Amino acid sequence: KAGVTQTPRYLIKTRGQQVTLSCSPISGHRSVSWYQQTPGQGLQFLFEYFSETQRNKGNFPGRFSGRQFSNSRSEMNVSTLELGDSALYLCASSHSGHSSTDTQYFGPGTRLTVL
Amino acid sequence: KNQVEQSPQSLIILEGKNCTLQCNYTVSPFSNLRWYKQDTGRGPVSLTIMTFSENTKSNGRYTATLDADTKQSSLHITASQLSDSASYICVVRKGGSYIPTFGRGTSLIVHP
Repeated sequence: KAGVTQTPRYLIKTRGQQVTLSCSPISGHRSVSWYQQTPGQGLQFLFEYFSETQRNKGNFPGRFSGRQFSNSRSEMNVSTLELGDSALYLCASSHSGHSSTDTQYFGPGTRLTVL
Repeated sequence: KNQVEQSPQSLIILEGKNCTLQCNYTVSPFSNLRWYKQDTGRGPVSLTIMTFSENTKSNGRYTATLDADTKQSSLHITASQLSDSASYICVVRKGGSYIPTFGRGTSLIVHP
């Protein structure tokens, strides 16, 4: 079974631009979560989608948004990029996400650099 | 404030040696605690998960322990291998909440 895939793997943008990241979950997984990882803050939860609906949201500004399609693929968008948005963005999928013990499978991440 | 603290921040050991990583948390109410291994340039991979009633869980050479009374967990790696070089992240879930609280991780380097 193919793992979680994320595209692109690397991205360089300038301040003020917007960016869209893509995530394809493991086949059959319906829950997709997004995380931001930085050296200073570590891993932080952005949001979780299930059946095309945002089910949980972390403490990030509205510039960070996402969506999920009917095939469970998900996209994350960051508008008006700031230098502090430079990070590794990780996507993780799980079967349903209903149980807190559901195992999440992470993709390799998208490394975003904002200049 | 719900927090997860890991120690040490980094650790260097020789191949074949054992080591123990620590995780202290204040998350309450507690639901479960998971240890992840993250290789450089890759996403985290789950090693073990423990709920309130479990105090030890093994996965090959990795053994995690949990003391829910003192809110402490440890990850013991036996007979380390070069491939164990990675960041180890402790994650705690609060009861009734989906949102996890992550530790900053321990960076482990295994030297030949």
